[in-house]
Amino acid sequence: DVKVTQSSRYLVKRTGEKVFLECVQDMDHENMFWYRQDPGLGLRLIYFSYDVKMKEKGDIPEGYSVSREKKERFSLILESASTNQTSMYLCASSRQLSSYNSPLHFGNGTRLTVT
Amino acid sequence: DAKTTQPPSMDCAEGRAANLPCNHSTISGNEYVYWYRQIHSQGPQYIIHGLKNNETNEMASLIITEDRKSSTLILPHATLRDTAVYYCIVYNFGNEKLTFGTGTRLTIIP
Repeated sequence: DVKVTQSSRYLVKRTGEKVFLECVQDMDHENMFWYRQDPGLGLRLIYFSYDVKMKEKGDIPEGYSVSREKKERFSLILESASTNQTSMYLCASSRQLSSYNSPLHFGNGTRLTVT
Repeated sequence: DAKTTQPPSMDCAEGRAANLPCNHSTISGNEYVYWYRQIHSQGPQYIIHGLKNNETNEMASLIITEDRKSSTLILPHATLRDTAVYYCIVYNFGNEKLTFGTGTRLTIIP
């Protein structure tokens, strides 16, 4: 089974802190994604990466950056955390196939609270 | 990407078939229909996907209308563990930007 592991289940940070959310997948997937999930808004894509050192902006990249130095690891960085970044953060990965998009496999999320 | 419309909530009796509808009237020819579900405090879980034909796996069946403008996810014998939010998504190959809506909250009633 594909395993996507997010380093923390719960995180509490102060406004202005630099925050790193880490995600590791063990299935050699090319694609990795970061979403945030808020009540009433569903899942919104922040950034994704389709290869090492490659990144693409999603729908809401403002206030975030990402790093993908190794294929299995995708990090989400909040340069200066703000209270409106309090949310559930979900990492996902998928294979690149020749004919259709393979399903996403998600981690169990990191609930970040910024005070 | 084509948008989808789902009812916000549904109930189903335990042991009965749960039929979850999804409208995707603007779907284009190369867009697949995917279904995921999210059980409380977990990440979304892939269920099934299809292009034109009906599909079945160990979890569910997917019925896509002939004009592809709508689909139905069927959980044949719903259990309490099927209580979750179900997301219907359409997207096409080459566009890795998968967009989730707010889904249908399915509650299985004992």
